Amino acid sequence: DAGVIQSPRHEVTEMGQEVTLRCKPISGHNSLFWYRQTMMRGLELLIYFNNNVPIDDSGMPEDRFSAKMPNASFSTLKIQPSEPRDSAVYFCASSFRTSGTNEQFFGPGTRLTVL
Amino acid sequence: GQQVMQIPQYQHVQEGEDFTTYCNSSTTLSNIQWYKQRPGGHPVFLIQLVKSGEVKKQKRLTFQFGEAKKNSSLHITATQTTDVGTYFCAPNTGGFKTIFGAGTRLFVKA
Repeated sequence: DAGVIQSPRHEVTEMGQEVTLRCKPISGHNSLFWYRQTMMRGLELLIYFNNNVPIDDSGMPEDRFSAKMPNASFSTLKIQPSEPRDSAVYFCASSFRTSGTNEQFFGPGTRLTVL
Repeated sequence: GQQVMQIPQYQHVQEGEDFTTYCNSSTTLSNIQWYKQRPGGHPVFLIQLVKSGEVKKQKRLTFQFGEAKKNSSLHITATQTTDVGTYFCAPNTGGFKTIFGAGTRLFVKA
């Protein structure tokens, strides 16, 4: 298995532009998580899906952020319009939620820089 | 809401010395996971603890879950340069949501 795939790996954009981050979870996993990591705020959970349904988006910073999971093999995180304070590494993670270990598998991350 | 405190924030050790990081929760936990993130990398799952007082070992790493299921620790014996990175605890109170601690960054001097 290729693991969790994220694209792009790096994104540099200008303030006000729309940014779309993409994630392909591990096949068979039923939970998907979007995280943001910065030095100041650490690893923050933005939103998570179970069986393609958003369960909790309370971590989404504001209305500029939106996430979708149209099917079990694809999710997007969109920022519109982007701002310099959105600069961070964004991780997608997936897991197979059972009554046992719910290990999260992280993708390599997308490093976003908003100028 | 649930609050997680992980200490210390940083730890510098000489290679061969031991290292311990602690994770404390304000609420009783269903389980707790530990992850390691190498510099420039992504978090990688190490272990999950579920039972009160549980102790698990992985080679030089020893993980403990407190009797009250509110705290946990990760101890590394005789650190090596390959242990460098940030260690996160990730407590769970029983729902879908897992909150990551701030992490302890370990520096190992050869």
